[in-house]
Amino acid sequence: DGGITQSPKYLFRKEGQNVTLSCEQNLNHDAMYWYRQDPGQGLRLIYYSQIVNDFQKGDIAEGYSVSREKKESFPLTVTSAQKNPTAFYLCASSDRDRGTEAFFGQGTRLTVV
Amino acid sequence: GQQLNQSPQSMFIQEGEDVSMNCTSSSIFNTWLWYKQDPGEGPVLLIALYKAGELTSNGRLTAQFGITRKDSFLNISASIPSDVGIYFCAGQKGPSSGTYKYIFGTGTRLKVLA
Repeated sequence: DGGITQSPKYLFRKEGQNVTLSCEQNLNHDAMYWYRQDPGQGLRLIYYSQIVNDFQKGDIAEGYSVSREKKESFPLTVTSAQKNPTAFYLCASSDRDRGTEAFFGQGTRLTVV
Repeated sequence: GQQLNQSPQSMFIQEGEDVSMNCTSSSIFNTWLWYKQDPGEGPVLLIALYKAGELTSNGRLTAQFGITRKDSFLNISASIPSDVGIYFCAGQKGPSSGTYKYIFGTGTRLKVLA
């Protein structure tokens, strides 16, 4: 079935460690996005990519890094520079045209221990 | 960063009641989307709107693309307990703006009392 897969569902990280969250889609979408959601809050854009080998910072990119080497994959690395990384991370994808919908993965809950 | 104003922030309603929520922006969008998020899950798309003035239904849900293109509304009729969750609106300006990113609302938390 077509969709977006995020893994793992739950992730624990020690302070000072980098960690990479996976996002894969088989919808043949050009654009992919990473959002962060804190308890009781809306979605804030971390990074987005409109085409392979290109990506743009969103509103809260500090302490995060991404790569887009393949159309299907858009991994997010939470670095040790991110001061408050505990959050729910959501990946989404869409076609790169006007008037298209974004579809989300199931999310990864990251907890720093 | 920009977030859309969504209201109400939360609401408690009785089962069977109708629900209305809205989303407003200071800028124009070419696409409006409405999502529902269950706890610990990713948002699921409910309705997509592409044209100013458009009114679209999906079962008990009806959404409208505001005529000014700066707002959108979602109505849920005859609410049931499984309607509980967080409802988000999202706007996209489209390629004419040079970006394909979506701006999300702050969410409306709906609780249905049986």
